[in-house]
Order: sequence, then structure tokens, then C-alpha cells
Amino acid sequence: EDQVTQSPEALRLQEGESSSLNCSYTVSGLRGLFWYRQDPGKGPEFLFTLYSAGEEKEKERLKATLTKKESFLHITAPKPEDSATYLCAVQAAKETSGSRLTFGEGTQLTVNP
Amino acid sequence: EPEVTQTPSHQVTQMGQEVILRCVPISNHLYFYWYRQILGQKVEFLVSFYNNEISEKSEIFDDQFSVERPDGSNFTLKIRSTKLEDSAMYFCASSYLSGGPNSPLHFGNGTRLTVT
Repeated sequence: EDQVTQSPEALRLQEGESSSLNCSYTVSGLRGLFWYRQDPGKGPEFLFTLYSAGEEKEKERLKATLTKKESFLHITAPKPEDSATYLCAVQAAKETSGSRLTFGEGTQLTVNP
Repeated sequence: EPEVTQTPSHQVTQMGQEVILRCVPISNHLYFYWYRQILGQKVEFLVSFYNNEISEKSEIFDDQFSVERPDGSNFTLKIRSTKLEDSAMYFCASSYLSGGPNSPLHFGNGTRLTVT
């Protein structure tokens, strides 16, 4: 069974204070690892897809990295508008579950001005 | 930028009633999904749909649930006889391919279903 564990559950930062969120996963053959941002009362908003170990993707103050067991979302000099819940999800390369995403619980990030 | 739209944003129903949640996926996408998120819990997969048939469903998606693409633009989720435990946020999503590194899922903003 595919599993995703995110840590920490909640993170409070001061504006400009860089940090990292962790996503540990177990999956039988990784087709893709996805990072989403979710604001309260909204749907998940796509940020990044990572596929192979060593891959990195960047978008503004966010950088996602991937190893064979975990992914990190690095937030550099965050701003209050980066406050949201960040979700990690994996998709397995299986014939019967080619499209299912398995999500973690998320990390609730709060950035104080 | 194209987006997935869902209606209604909030639906209140009584236990035992039927509800239909509606979605308009992104127009050139071929794969359609329903996920749900019970308050305070993780987002869970319900069903995926491609070429007018279900391609995968989870253990949650029992006989009380059904999906349909009644025309070229809408995608619906029907719950035949709602239970209290069906109260959740239901998200529709779509993708051009069946996911993978070059075809992420794009989600709508959800329908909050409250069963009383």
C-alpha cells in the first residue's frame, strides 16, 4: 500500500526565515511525486511534479527536491502570502492504479510579518 | 488560465436523500477524478474516469456512488442515499493524460457537502 507522511504537521515562521518541509513516501514504483498548495476552503493548487531521484524544481521562493525515499519543499525568505497547507502526493506506476494520487496529511505553514 | 469549476460550492441535504455534485473539467482534458476531504483529514481518492468509463475506484466508492459524463463538458458525482459520514469537501480534478510527470491533476475548489 502506498503511503505518504509529511512533517512537521504545522510550522510557524517569521517573514524571511527559510525552512524546509518533509515528505516521506513508500510506493511500489514511483510515477510521480506532486506538491500542491491548499488555501482554506479551496482545492489543491498544483506546484511541482518530480519523477526521478536527484530532480529539483523551482518556483519563486519554493524549491522541491526528490530522493528515493523522500522529498523536501524548501521555502526561501518566505512572505505572509506563502501561508497555506502544503500537500505532498505520490502516484504509483501500477497498471491498476495509474491515476490514483495518495496524499499526505499536509504541513500547515504560517508566515508571520 | 483554464480551471476546473464545481457547483454548488455548498450543499446541505438530509440523510437518505440523493445528491448530485457537478463539475466542468478543463476542456481538453481526458481524465476526470473525484476526491474527497473529510474535515481535518487527508485528501482521499474516490474514482477516476476515462473514455466514458470508470478506470479505477477506491474502497470508499461503493454502490451508493456513481459518476457520469452526461455531455461533452460536465462530469457528475451522484450519491444515492446520503449518510452522515458522507459529509466532506468533494473535489473534482482533471488531467490531460493519466497523471505522470508531464500531466498533473488540476483540482476545482470543491463542493462542501453537509448531511444532516
